Amino acid sequence: NAGVTQTPKFQVLKTGQSMTLQCAQDMNHNSMYWYRQDPGMGLRLIYYSASEGTTDKGEVPNGYNVSRLNKREFSLRLESAAPSQTSVYFCASSEGRAVVSPLHFGNGTRLTVT
Amino acid sequence: EDKVVQSPLSLVVHEGDTVTLNCSYEVTNFRSLLWYKQEKKAPTFLFMLTSSGIEKKSGRLSSILDKKELFSILNITATQTGDSAVYLCAVEITQGGSEKLVFGKGTKLTVNP
Repeated sequence: NAGVTQTPKFQVLKTGQSMTLQCAQDMNHNSMYWYRQDPGMGLRLIYYSASEGTTDKGEVPNGYNVSRLNKREFSLRLESAAPSQTSVYFCASSEGRAVVSPLHFGNGTRLTVT
Repeated sequence: EDKVVQSPLSLVVHEGDTVTLNCSYEVTNFRSLLWYKQEKKAPTFLFMLTSSGIEKKSGRLSSILDKKELFSILNITATQTGDSAVYLCAVEITQGGSEKLVFGKGTKLTVNP
């Protein structure tokens, strides 16, 4: 059982370049999330998708877009990368509204923007 | 503004010591409180607490929630070097019909041999 799979594991971008971080889960979870983790800041929610077909902004959505492609997949896009977006990005999923359940995290993507 | 505060931010102990990590919160629409352990990669789930006063236990780790005073503690007894990690506290809230986690900044625990 793979759980939550993120790709790529590492990425280096130049300022202004674009890229998409991919996330897929095989647990039939309803809700999916994108977080970024920076030193001293903890985990901060970028966007989330409570169910297939819906997405909502989290705490730090500026500079990002998301797509819930289907129940399994939730991608995060940086249209024009900036050095402030250098971070570790985690995708997570949970069963969702009807069930109080913990988040399951992917192994993260370490992104550097120069 | 929803807020989760962990203390201390970092802690260094010797193997065999007992540690207590603290998490206080101020949120609207509380649903649950969760503890995660993060080593090098993804946070891994430890406990979920929804009711006050009921201790959850797993081996040397235990946790309890006080919904009146709005805090939780995570205890680790007889610490081992493998317990070295960042421990994250998160509160699940309901907002706009959806559930979200608000994370604290974490407590970095270092256990020296």
